[in-house]
Amino acid sequence: AQTVTQSQPEMSVQEAETVTLSCTYDTSESDYYLFWYKQPPSRQMILVIRQEAYKQQNATENRFSVNFQKAAKSFSLKISDSQLGDAAMYFCAYRISYNNNDMRFGAGTRLTVKP
Amino acid sequence: DVKVTQSSRYLVKRTGEKVFLECVQDMDHENMFWYRQDPGLGLRLIYFSYDVKMKEKGDIPEGYSVSREKKERFSLILESASTNQTSMYLCASSFPGSPYEQYFGPGTRLTVT
Repeated sequence: AQTVTQSQPEMSVQEAETVTLSCTYDTSESDYYLFWYKQPPSRQMILVIRQEAYKQQNATENRFSVNFQKAAKSFSLKISDSQLGDAAMYFCAYRISYNNNDMRFGAGTRLTVKP
Repeated sequence: DVKVTQSSRYLVKRTGEKVFLECVQDMDHENMFWYRQDPGLGLRLIYFSYDVKMKEKGDIPEGYSVSREKKERFSLILESASTNQTSMYLCASSFPGSPYEQYFGPGTRLTVT
């Protein structure tokens, strides 16, 4: 079974600085998607960034970027120029490309941003 | 914008009560999901539906059932609520197939006393 591990239950960062959230996953598949979701205190989960496993280039979305290491099965999220609004629970998620009904989530990392 | 709404943000029920959690999406998504979110465990799939009246069990279906009579609406039913079902419940929806992401509702915090 595929599993997703987020080893950092909590992280904190100073406003305007950079923070990296870690995620590792376990799979025997070669074609899959990885996601980072953000859940702010209001609880509506939103997609931050998505990475297709077949793409070697790391995905970026404005201040958010990933470091995807397929061989190491690692998928970390880097947040640059952190803002107070980045404070949230962040979930790493995995799913096989051909089955978008089976999304696997990590336990989450709570990010605090200090002013 | 995709909108997924859930009928209640907070709900308090007594042990043994039948509980209905409602979810509605407005994007004509075929797939709908119910997750349970607990600290340290992330999100776990309870049930999903890929079409009207079609459903499949997820990882933790025990004690729950679902109903999907219309495409836009997916209900989670706790037949006889128990204290170990106190949790945050998240509904999500998506189009089928790659590379579609899931869109989430705001969640329902259910407390069973």
